[in-house]
Amino acid sequence: GESVGLHLPTLSVQEGDNSIINCAYSNSASDYFIWYKQESGKGPQFIIDIRSNMDKRQGQRVTVLLNKTVKHLSLQIAATQPGDSAVYFCAENTGAGSYQLTFGKGTKLSVIP
Amino acid sequence: DGGITQSPKYLFRKEGQNVTLSCEQNLNHDAMYWYRQDPGQGLRLIYYSQIVNDFQKGDIAEGYSVSREKKESFPLTVTSAQKNPTAFYLCASARGGGVDEKLFFGSGTQLSVL
Repeated sequence: GESVGLHLPTLSVQEGDNSIINCAYSNSASDYFIWYKQESGKGPQFIIDIRSNMDKRQGQRVTVLLNKTVKHLSLQIAATQPGDSAVYFCAENTGAGSYQLTFGKGTKLSVIP
Repeated sequence: DGGITQSPKYLFRKEGQNVTLSCEQNLNHDAMYWYRQDPGQGLRLIYYSQIVNDFQKGDIAEGYSVSREKKESFPLTVTSAQKNPTAFYLCASARGGGVDEKLFFGSGTQLSVL
């Protein structure tokens, strides 16, 4: 079936640089996307979301880009800090209810001091 | 503080034993969910509830049971029928059941088999 995937399972970034985490999705009907951050042994933490009628949304130090033409989602983190080290995963809503979120496997971001 | 509380943090199950994971939220959210997380895999939905006294099976409900007697509480029982219960279990809640609802997660329970 269709599912959310990631291009890179691990990413190492120098402190202060920008990070880009990618996510490919295959369900063209998906209408809502979320990025989560999960630190080791903890629950996922909401970062930012975007609806399919938008192509960009900015938060504090984070930007999500949505390219519906190629079914691609990315999370950009500006001035990456050691506290950003975690697993990041995207989720897409493939249906009509919040229970229909499909989660990707995640990308581990390691920040080098 | 508002949030979702899961307990215990760590839980061990013996063969043939049922164990119950607790999930409580004080966010006044209508919808609650249970997910299972295995290493290297995405979250998989076990059960969800969009209103008190009602719940629905998710993608991997076999071997699990839930109840929703109160809005704040959504306990998950891992029964002896679940042959591979070792995983990290996450409870989540959302304001409602709409397509663009944000899910907020608890800190998880790591279940292991003795």
